[in-house]
Amino acid sequence: ETGVTQTPRHLVMGMTNKKSLKCEQHLGHNAMYWYKQSAKKPLELMFVYSLEERVENNSVPSRFSPECPNSSHLFLHLHTLQPEDSALYLCASSQDLRGPGYEQYFGPGTRLTVT
Amino acid sequence: AQKITQTQPGMFVQEKEAVTLDCTYDTSDQSYGLFWYKQPSSGEMIFLIYQGSYDEQNATEGRYSLNFQKARKSANLVISASQLGDSAMYFCAMREGKENRDDKIIFGKGTRLHILP
Repeated sequence: ETGVTQTPRHLVMGMTNKKSLKCEQHLGHNAMYWYKQSAKKPLELMFVYSLEERVENNSVPSRFSPECPNSSHLFLHLHTLQPEDSALYLCASSQDLRGPGYEQYFGPGTRLTVT
Repeated sequence: AQKITQTQPGMFVQEKEAVTLDCTYDTSDQSYGLFWYKQPSSGEMIFLIYQGSYDEQNATEGRYSLNFQKARKSANLVISASQLGDSAMYFCAMREGKENRDDKIIFGKGTRLHILP
Protein backbone atom coordinates (compact mmCIF):
# COMPACT_ATOMS: atom_id res chain seq x y z
CA GLU A 1 0.00 0.00 0.00
CA THR A 2 1.37 3.39 -0.98
CA GLY A 3 2.38 5.84 1.70
CA VAL A 4 1.50 8.75 -0.56
CA THR A 5 -2.13 9.70 -1.11
CA GLN A 6 -3.62 12.15 -3.56
CA THR A 7 -7.06 13.68 -3.78
CA PRO A 8 -9.10 13.94 -5.83
CA ARG A 9 -8.34 11.01 -8.11
CA HIS A 10 -10.27 12.57 -10.98
CA LEU A 11 -11.08 16.21 -11.65
CA VAL A 12 -12.91 17.92 -14.46
CA MET A 13 -12.77 21.68 -14.46
CA GLY A 14 -13.57 24.57 -16.75
CA MET A 15 -10.96 27.06 -17.81
CA THR A 16 -12.30 29.72 -15.45
CA ASN A 17 -12.47 27.47 -12.37
CA LYS A 18 -10.14 27.42 -9.40
CA LYS A 19 -9.35 24.07 -7.84
CA SER A 20 -6.63 22.48 -5.72
CA LEU A 21 -4.91 19.11 -5.78
CA LYS A 22 -3.83 17.65 -2.48
CA CYS A 23 -0.99 15.27 -1.68
CA GLU A 24 -0.16 13.74 1.67
CA GLN A 25 2.75 11.48 2.54
CA HIS A 26 2.87 9.27 5.61
CA LEU A 27 6.49 8.21 5.24
CA GLY A 28 8.30 10.87 7.22
CA HIS A 29 10.07 12.09 4.10
CA ASN A 30 11.64 15.50 3.75
CA ALA A 31 11.23 16.11 0.02
CA MET A 32 8.08 16.27 -2.08
CA TYR A 33 7.52 16.68 -5.80
CA TRP A 34 4.84 17.49 -8.36
CA TYR A 35 5.06 15.84 -11.78
CA LYS A 36 2.92 16.19 -14.88
CA GLN A 37 2.39 13.22 -17.14
CA SER A 38 0.87 13.94 -20.53
CA ALA A 39 0.11 11.32 -23.13
CA LYS A 40 3.20 10.11 -24.98
CA LYS A 41 5.56 12.39 -23.07
CA PRO A 42 8.12 11.66 -20.38
CA LEU A 43 7.27 12.64 -16.86
CA GLU A 44 7.82 16.36 -16.41
CA LEU A 45 9.06 17.59 -13.08
CA MET A 46 7.14 20.70 -12.05
CA PHE A 47 8.08 21.61 -8.49
CA VAL A 48 10.36 20.32 -5.77
CA TYR A 49 10.05 21.06 -2.07
CA SER A 50 12.61 20.23 0.58
CA LEU A 51 11.67 20.76 4.21
CA GLU A 52 8.77 22.95 3.12
CA GLU A 53 10.91 25.23 0.98
CA ARG A 54 10.55 25.30 -2.78
CA VAL A 55 13.90 24.41 -4.31
CA GLU A 56 12.94 24.02 -7.91
CA ASN A 57 10.40 25.45 -10.31
CA ASN A 58 10.87 24.08 -13.80
CA SER A 59 9.48 27.01 -15.78
CA VAL A 60 5.93 26.15 -14.84
CA PRO A 61 3.25 28.70 -15.84
CA SER A 62 1.92 30.82 -13.01
CA ARG A 63 -1.55 29.30 -13.37
CA PHE A 64 -0.05 26.44 -11.33
CA SER A 65 0.73 27.51 -7.78
CA PRO A 66 2.25 25.04 -5.30
CA GLU A 67 1.98 25.21 -1.55
CA CYS A 68 3.75 23.14 1.08
CA PRO A 69 2.42 24.03 4.55
CA ASN A 70 4.40 21.25 6.24
CA SER A 71 6.62 18.35 5.27
CA SER A 72 3.68 15.95 4.99
CA HIS A 73 1.37 17.97 2.77
CA LEU A 74 1.70 19.42 -0.69
CA PHE A 75 -0.92 21.28 -2.68
CA LEU A 76 -1.16 22.37 -6.28
CA HIS A 77 -3.55 25.28 -6.76
CA LEU A 78 -5.00 25.59 -10.24
CA HIS A 79 -6.63 28.59 -11.87
CA THR A 80 -7.49 29.63 -15.42
CA LEU A 81 -6.09 26.44 -16.88
CA GLN A 82 -5.89 25.58 -20.56
CA PRO A 83 -7.08 22.40 -22.28
CA GLU A 84 -3.43 21.39 -22.85
CA ASP A 85 -3.05 21.22 -19.06
CA SER A 86 -5.18 18.07 -19.07
CA ALA A 87 -2.89 15.33 -17.78
CA LEU A 88 -2.14 13.01 -14.91
CA TYR A 89 -0.58 14.93 -12.03
CA LEU A 90 1.61 12.82 -9.81
CA CYS A 91 2.91 13.65 -6.38
CA ALA A 92 6.00 11.93 -5.00
CA SER A 93 8.15 12.04 -1.91
CA SER A 94 11.66 10.92 -1.03
CA GLN A 95 13.63 10.74 2.18
CA ASP A 96 15.85 13.57 1.10
CA LEU A 97 16.96 15.42 -2.00
CA ARG A 98 20.57 14.37 -1.99
CA GLY A 99 22.25 11.09 -2.76
CA PRO A 100 21.64 8.75 -5.64
CA GLY A 101 19.88 6.11 -3.61
CA TYR A 102 16.87 8.03 -2.47
CA GLU A 103 14.03 6.59 -4.49
CA GLN A 104 10.82 8.48 -4.88
CA TYR A 105 7.50 7.05 -3.79
CA PHE A 106 4.56 8.13 -5.89
CA GLY A 107 0.93 8.72 -5.18
CA PRO A 108 -1.82 7.35 -7.44
CA GLY A 109 -2.16 10.62 -9.30
CA THR A 110 -4.99 12.99 -10.13
CA ARG A 111 -6.41 12.69 -13.62
CA LEU A 112 -7.23 16.28 -14.62
CA THR A 113 -9.41 17.20 -17.56
CA VAL A 114 -9.78 20.86 -18.51
CA THR A 115 -12.84 21.62 -20.62
CA ALA B 1 20.35 15.15 -25.62
CA GLN B 2 18.21 12.65 -23.79
CA LYS B 3 19.54 11.52 -20.48
CA ILE B 4 17.45 8.35 -20.38
CA THR B 5 16.59 6.45 -23.54
CA GLN B 6 14.06 3.66 -23.75
CA THR B 7 13.98 2.48 -27.34
CA GLN B 8 10.98 0.15 -27.10
CA PRO B 9 7.70 2.10 -27.05
CA GLY B 10 5.74 -1.15 -26.81
CA MET B 11 6.32 -4.88 -26.36
CA PHE B 12 4.15 -7.98 -26.56
CA VAL B 13 5.32 -11.04 -24.65
CA GLN B 14 3.75 -14.44 -24.02
CA GLU B 15 2.90 -15.21 -20.42
CA LYS B 16 5.63 -17.08 -18.50
CA GLU B 17 8.37 -15.91 -20.84
CA ALA B 18 11.20 -13.70 -19.63
CA VAL B 19 11.18 -10.05 -20.68
CA THR B 20 14.01 -7.58 -21.13
CA LEU B 21 13.22 -3.87 -21.20
CA ASP B 22 16.02 -1.71 -22.55
CA CYS B 23 17.38 1.44 -20.95
CA THR B 24 20.47 3.45 -21.72
CA TYR B 25 21.55 6.56 -19.88
CA ASP B 26 23.89 9.46 -20.27
CA THR B 27 25.76 11.11 -17.42
CA SER B 28 29.19 12.47 -16.67
CA ASP B 29 28.75 11.94 -12.93
CA GLN B 30 30.63 9.12 -11.23
CA SER B 31 27.94 8.69 -8.60
CA TYR B 32 24.41 8.08 -9.76
CA GLY B 33 21.46 5.81 -9.19
CA LEU B 34 19.25 3.97 -11.64
CA PHE B 35 15.64 3.04 -10.99
CA TRP B 36 12.82 1.21 -12.62
CA TYR B 37 9.19 2.05 -11.99
CA LYS B 38 6.01 0.28 -13.06
CA GLN B 39 2.86 2.21 -13.86
CA PRO B 40 -0.30 0.11 -14.25
CA SER B 41 -3.41 1.52 -15.90
CA SER B 42 -4.55 2.81 -12.50
CA GLY B 43 -1.84 5.48 -12.81
CA GLU B 44 0.17 4.84 -9.68
CA MET B 45 3.95 4.70 -10.09
CA ILE B 46 5.41 1.69 -8.29
CA PHE B 47 9.10 1.52 -7.45
CA LEU B 48 10.59 -1.81 -8.59
CA ILE B 49 14.34 -1.87 -8.29
CA TYR B 50 17.41 0.29 -7.72
CA GLN B 51 21.04 0.04 -8.89
CA GLY B 52 23.80 2.28 -7.58
CA SER B 53 26.65 3.22 -9.86
CA TYR B 54 29.17 1.76 -7.43
CA ASP B 55 27.30 -1.48 -6.85
CA GLU B 56 29.36 -4.33 -8.23
CA GLN B 57 26.55 -6.83 -8.41
CA ASN B 58 23.37 -6.53 -10.42
CA ALA B 59 20.36 -5.67 -8.30
CA THR B 60 17.61 -8.26 -7.90
CA GLU B 61 14.16 -8.02 -6.33
CA GLY B 62 12.08 -11.15 -6.67
CA ARG B 63 11.30 -11.66 -10.36
CA TYR B 64 12.98 -8.38 -11.25
CA SER B 65 16.68 -8.01 -11.98
CA LEU B 66 18.67 -5.15 -13.41
CA ASN B 67 21.31 -5.98 -16.00
CA PHE B 68 23.79 -3.20 -15.26
CA GLN B 69 26.52 -2.68 -17.83
CA LYS B 70 28.36 0.41 -16.70
CA ALA B 71 30.76 0.74 -19.62
CA ARG B 72 27.87 0.63 -22.06
CA LYS B 73 25.73 2.88 -19.82
CA SER B 74 22.99 0.33 -19.96
CA ALA B 75 20.51 -0.64 -17.23
CA ASN B 76 18.06 -3.12 -18.68
CA LEU B 77 15.22 -4.54 -16.58
CA VAL B 78 14.69 -8.27 -16.75
CA ILE B 79 11.39 -9.77 -15.62
CA SER B 80 11.48 -13.52 -15.26
CA ALA B 81 8.43 -15.74 -15.72
CA SER B 82 6.14 -12.91 -16.79
CA GLN B 83 2.57 -12.76 -15.50
CA LEU B 84 -0.57 -11.10 -16.82
CA GLY B 85 -0.33 -8.58 -14.00
CA ASP B 86 2.99 -7.38 -15.38
CA SER B 87 1.16 -5.59 -18.19
CA ALA B 88 1.90 -1.94 -17.55
CA MET B 89 4.06 0.99 -18.52
CA TYR B 90 7.65 0.72 -17.32
CA PHE B 91 9.90 3.72 -16.74
CA CYS B 92 13.65 3.78 -16.37
CA ALA B 93 14.97 6.70 -14.33
CA MET B 94 18.28 8.11 -13.18
CA ARG B 95 19.28 10.27 -10.28
CA GLU B 96 22.63 12.01 -10.56
CA GLY B 97 24.54 12.50 -7.38
CA LYS B 98 26.63 15.67 -7.51
CA GLU B 99 26.97 17.04 -3.99
CA ASN B 100 27.07 20.70 -5.00
CA ARG B 101 23.54 20.78 -6.30
CA ASP B 102 20.22 19.26 -5.51
CA ASP B 103 19.44 16.02 -7.26
CA LYS B 104 16.42 15.15 -9.26
CA ILE B 105 15.22 12.05 -10.97
CA ILE B 106 15.08 12.05 -14.76
CA PHE B 107 12.65 9.66 -16.40
CA GLY B 108 12.67 7.98 -19.77
CA LYS B 109 9.61 7.96 -22.03
CA GLY B 110 8.66 4.48 -20.94
CA THR B 111 7.91 1.11 -22.51
CA ARG B 112 4.40 -0.29 -22.58
CA LEU B 113 4.51 -4.02 -21.87
CA HIS B 114 1.63 -6.29 -22.85
CA ILE B 115 1.62 -9.84 -21.49
CA LEU B 116 -0.40 -12.20 -23.67
CA PRO B 117 -2.27 -15.19 -22.16
